[in-house]
Amino acid sequence: QVQLVESGGGLVKPGGSLRLSCVTSGFSFRNYYMSWIRQAPGKGLEWVSYIDYGGATIHYADSVKGRFTISRDNARNSLFLQMNSLRDDDTATYYCVRGNSLAYWGRGVVVAVSS
Amino acid sequence: IVMTQTPLSLSVTPGQPASISCRSSRSLLYRDGKTYLYWHVQKPGQSPQLLMYEVSNRFSGVPDRFSGSGSGTNFTLKISRVEAEDVGTYYCMQSIEVYTFGQGTKLEIK
Repeated sequence: QVQLVESGGGLVKPGGSLRLSCVTSGFSFRNYYMSWIRQAPGKGLEWVSYIDYGGATIHYADSVKGRFTISRDNARNSLFLQMNSLRDDDTATYYCVRGNSLAYWGRGVVVAVSS
Repeated sequence: IVMTQTPLSLSVTPGQPASISCRSSRSLLYRDGKTYLYWHVQKPGQSPQLLMYEVSNRFSGVPDRFSGSGSGTNFTLKISRVEAEDVGTYYCMQSIEVYTFGQGTKLEIK
């Protein structure tokens, strides 16, 4: 079955960096757009970034543009999010999500930014 | 594109119907003839999951008591008979221009 497993979260100080990973299985990874969606504690869902099949088309939310970089490795069925210059308001659960319709979600990984 | 849901909370007796509205700030009808409006639900302690895609299509495994309707900028999710397992927060979402979500509607059982 479709599985998406995120890792790489943790506690980091403002201005710090983290790299999230998402390892997938149960589907042909190279055939799907992939996204990162986040949810701040007690808040709603916010799209962060998406990447097309081969990485040629990438978009970011204005809130992370210039600080976050999405990438993928189709040979390893993996999605990544490099997060630099982290701010308090980046604190959230980050979900790895498959496809244009966001049909399958991982369990999420917690990123906490605090001094 | 801004997505606006009403109501933001809903308390329903089991067996009764429920309805959630979603309005987009511009039309979600794309030039391919499809309307890119989705509904997701996040049950307590879980990741969000897709309920409906392209307005009215139920995703795999979604019970037929869920239905979606609407066009252009106005959409509705209906539950014909609410069950205890339907508790959660429901989000509408558009994908015609990157992605945006509504604020969420929290459904509780009376």
